Amino acid sequence: EAGVAQSPRYKIIEKRQSVAFWCNPISGHATLYWYQQILGQGPKLLIQFQNNGVVDDSQLPKDRFSAERLKGVDSTLKIQPAKLEDSAVYLCASSGQGAGRADTQYFGPGTRLTVL
Amino acid sequence: QKEVEQDPGPLSVPEGAIVSLNCTYSNSAFQYFMWYRQYSRKGPELLMYTYSSGNKEDGRFTAQVDKSSKYISLFIRDSQPSDSATYLCAMSARTGGFKTIFGAGTRLFVKA
Repeated sequence: EAGVAQSPRYKIIEKRQSVAFWCNPISGHATLYWYQQILGQGPKLLIQFQNNGVVDDSQLPKDRFSAERLKGVDSTLKIQPAKLEDSAVYLCASSGQGAGRADTQYFGPGTRLTVL
Repeated sequence: QKEVEQDPGPLSVPEGAIVSLNCTYSNSAFQYFMWYRQYSRKGPELLMYTYSSGNKEDGRFTAQVDKSSKYISLFIRDSQPSDSATYLCAMSARTGGFKTIFGAGTRLFVKA
């Protein structure tokens, strides 16, 4: 079974530029998560999708971050404009159970973003 | 106060040692407790999953949950250099929509 795929693996941009990350979850997984992991910290949930609907985006900085999962499969996370404090690893995860149930999350390798 | 507290380490032990990793938490509603292992430049992978209080053993790994003290532990027996990684505790609650809250992670080095 293929795991969660993410691209790019690394990205370096200047502040105020925009950037987009892509995630392909495990086939058949209805729930998709985007996490931000700042160096030395644990992952922090940014947004959770159930199929193509948003379940939780309470910690997503909506003035600069956006995410979509149009067909309930792949997802993109965008930052526009980027700030220095956005430097982090952006992790995508998926799980097979629906929202509202505890379930194992499978993580991708992450995208390491550096904002200069 | 953070919901989940975890000593970031680093923790350095010789090969074969018993390792004890711990987390404390403040939200008494947490009922699902997890330990993830994260190798450098990789995503976290689930090691142990425990519901409510008690112990769970899987090979060299034992997870303990003490809800009365709001304290969870992960023990690694006969530690190996391949166990060198960051260990993240995580927990969730039905009342929180099962949103997973992670600790900061403890970096473990096992020396050959």
